[in-house]
Amino acid sequence: QSLLTQPPSVSAAPGQKVTISCSGSSSNIGNNYVSWYQQLPGTAPKLLIYESNKRPSGIPDRFSGSKSGTSATLGITGLQTGDEADYYCGTWDSSLSAGVFGGGTKLTVL
Amino acid sequence: EVQLVESGGGVVRPGGSLRLSCATSGFTFDDYGMTWVRQSPGKGLEWVSSISYNGAATGYADSVKGRFTISRDNARNSLYLQLNSLRAEDTALYHCARRGITTAATSFYIDVWGKGTTVTVSS
Repeated sequence: QSLLTQPPSVSAAPGQKVTISCSGSSSNIGNNYVSWYQQLPGTAPKLLIYESNKRPSGIPDRFSGSKSGTSATLGITGLQTGDEADYYCGTWDSSLSAGVFGGGTKLTVL
Repeated sequence: EVQLVESGGGVVRPGGSLRLSCATSGFTFDDYGMTWVRQSPGKGLEWVSSISYNGAATGYADSVKGRFTISRDNARNSLYLQLNSLRAEDTALYHCARRGITTAATSFYIDVWGKGTTVTVSS
C-alpha cells in the first residue's frame, strides 16, 4: 500500500490532454516537492518533472506538473502513442525520513 | 554521458546474502547523493536506501532496515548495497539512482537511473 495514491490507469485519444493525480499527506506532498517519472515498457524510469513543476532539459513542454496542498498533478498535452507508459509520482516523507513513490498509473493512448 | 551500471544480482536462497555494485561514470560522483530503488515483478517503485555525497548520512526503508547496508567508494566512483537475511519479498529489480542536486531542503528527486540488476530470493 503506497503512501501516495495514484489512479491505476488513465486513457485518452491521440492529441488530447490527460491528467494524472497523486494524493498524499502533510508529511509528504504537503511539505515537500514532488517529482514525476515515466517508465516505458522494459526500460528504467525517466525524470519528467522535479520540484513539483520544473522540467529537466530535453523534456518537452507537453509535460507539466503542479501541486496544491497534499496533492499533485501531472499533465500531458498533445498525447502521442509514444507516451504510453507507467507514470510515477515521488517525494520525501518527513515523518518516515524516507523516499516514497506512488503506485503508478498506466497511460493508454487509444 | 552519465552512466550507472549495476551488477551483483542473482538467485539466492532465503536467509542468504548478496552485494550489489553500481559503477558510475560521466559525472563527478562525490558531488551527488545516491539512492537504491527496487521494483518487484509487475509492481511499482520502492525506495530502498539513500546515502549522502560523502557517505556521512544514510537512510533505509523500514522493510530493509537492519538487513541492508548502503555504502560508497568515492575513489572508485562506485555505490554498493549489501543485502543480508534475504527474504522472498526482496525479489526485485534493483536500480542504482542519482539524487538530483538541489538547494531546497524539501526536495528529493532522482535525475538519473540505472537499468538495474535482478535479485531473486527463492528456495
